[in-house]
Amino acid sequence: RKEVEQDPGPFNVPEGATVAFNCTYSNSASQSFFWYRQDCRKEPKLLMSVYSSGNEDGRFTAQLNRASQYISLLIRDSKLSDSATYLCVVNKNTGNQFYFGTGTSLTVIP
Amino acid sequence: NAGVMQNPRHLVRRRGQEARLRCSPMKGHSHVYWYRQLPEEGLKFMVYLQKENIIDESGMPKERFSAEFPKEGPSILRIQQVVRGDSAAYFCASSPSGLAGLFFGPGTRLTVL
Repeated sequence: RKEVEQDPGPFNVPEGATVAFNCTYSNSASQSFFWYRQDCRKEPKLLMSVYSSGNEDGRFTAQLNRASQYISLLIRDSKLSDSATYLCVVNKNTGNQFYFGTGTSLTVIP
Repeated sequence: NAGVMQNPRHLVRRRGQEARLRCSPMKGHSHVYWYRQLPEEGLKFMVYLQKENIIDESGMPKERFSAEFPKEGPSILRIQQVVRGDSAAYFCASSPSGLAGLFFGPGTRLTVL
C-alpha cells in the first residue's frame, strides 16, 4: 500500500470556482503534513503546512483529519494562475523521510 | 538566505559519459534529498543524506548511481555511464527538520544523447 494516495485528476474548473483536493496517508505515526505546488517544468514549492486545527492563507484552506488519516486543500475563487499540480506530502519524523503523493492536476479555465 | 542551489541547470551528455550534479542546501540545513522526475511523471525519491552520511538510499538504482554529502562543499549526485533512460529532471531539496518541510532547488535537467 502506498504511503500517500492522491486522486491524480485532472480537475478542470472555471474561474471563480471552489475546488477541493483530498489525500490519504497510511501510517498513523505520521506527524507533519504539507501541500506543495508544482508548475510545469519547475520545482515543487511549499504552499502550506497543515495543522490539526486547520489553517487558512487567503483563498487556500488546509485541514487535517487524523482519525481518518486524510488531509485536504480547498481553493476558493479559483484564478487562472492556480493552474498547477498540487502535491500532498507527509513526514513521519522518525527517520525524517518525506512521502509524496503523485499529485493532482488542476486547470482553471477562463 | 539564499535558497537551495543546483548546478548545472542543464546538462547534456552522450551515452557512456558521466554526469555530476551539484546541490548546495540552504544555510543551516543539514538534510539533503535527491529526487528524479521523468517527463509527465511524479517525483521519485532517490536518496537522503546528512553531512557525510547516507541515511536512506532505497530509491537509488543499485548500479551507476552514487551520492555524497561531504563535510565541506555541496552534495553530489553522480551518474556513471549514462543511458538515454537517465534523461530526467533531478531535484535536490534540503530541510532543517521534518517539521519544516522540504525546500527544493530549481533542478538539473539532464539530457542523454
